[in-house]
Amino acid sequence: QKEVEQNSGPLSVPEGAIASLNCTYSDRVSQSFFWYRQYSGKSPELIMSIYSNGDKEDGRFTAQLNKASQYVSLLIRDSQPSDSATYLCAAVNTGNQFYFGTGTSLTVIP
Amino acid sequence: EAQVTQNPRYLITVTGKKLTVTCSQNMNHEYMSWYRQDPGLGLRQIYYSMNVEVTDKGDVPEGYKVSRKEKRNFPLILESPSPNQTSLYFCASSSGTDYEQYFGPGTRLTVT
Repeated sequence: QKEVEQNSGPLSVPEGAIASLNCTYSDRVSQSFFWYRQYSGKSPELIMSIYSNGDKEDGRFTAQLNKASQYVSLLIRDSQPSDSATYLCAAVNTGNQFYFGTGTSLTVIP
Repeated sequence: EAQVTQNPRYLITVTGKKLTVTCSQNMNHEYMSWYRQDPGLGLRQIYYSMNVEVTDKGDVPEGYKVSRKEKRNFPLILESPSPNQTSLYFCASSSGTDYEQYFGPGTRLTVT
């Protein structure tokens, strides 16, 4: 099993809907988790970090961490066409090494 | 403005010709890292550094060298580039506490 795995998609949602992105991780990474957004041809930009079980909300974004099931999710409420991008899930292990998923492509249809 | 800078942004070179990609951050971050991004493989960590003179191998360190002589700079060195190192490279930095990384604009390297 890879350290961090994501469904590559593509995921399409209509404008105004909730987009749900999921990520699973292995026992080799368990410290902290991150969601990045990457527009085509650009560098990744941090959306949210989450360190403990439960939900963390920031505006239209909610990150959820479930350590028992080893998954992390990102919900985007009221999706906008500008949210169309590739979303990267990342994790860091206790040795400070980072692992990224291969990304999920999201398209928000106007 | 807080930022991570990389130079050059684009580089075409030939097999075996040593090159250095520079990375600099102005946020006084302890943690710096290099990644390569390839289609279907995602972002893979090459090397990372927790502080000056402290560097560690990431997932794909073969063929690369790094150094951290100053806190703000973390150059990536390819001593003998090969075509399989053709990729998009990103430098990133973060504090050593929250690990929220900020990425540079990327360097697109082509080795012929």
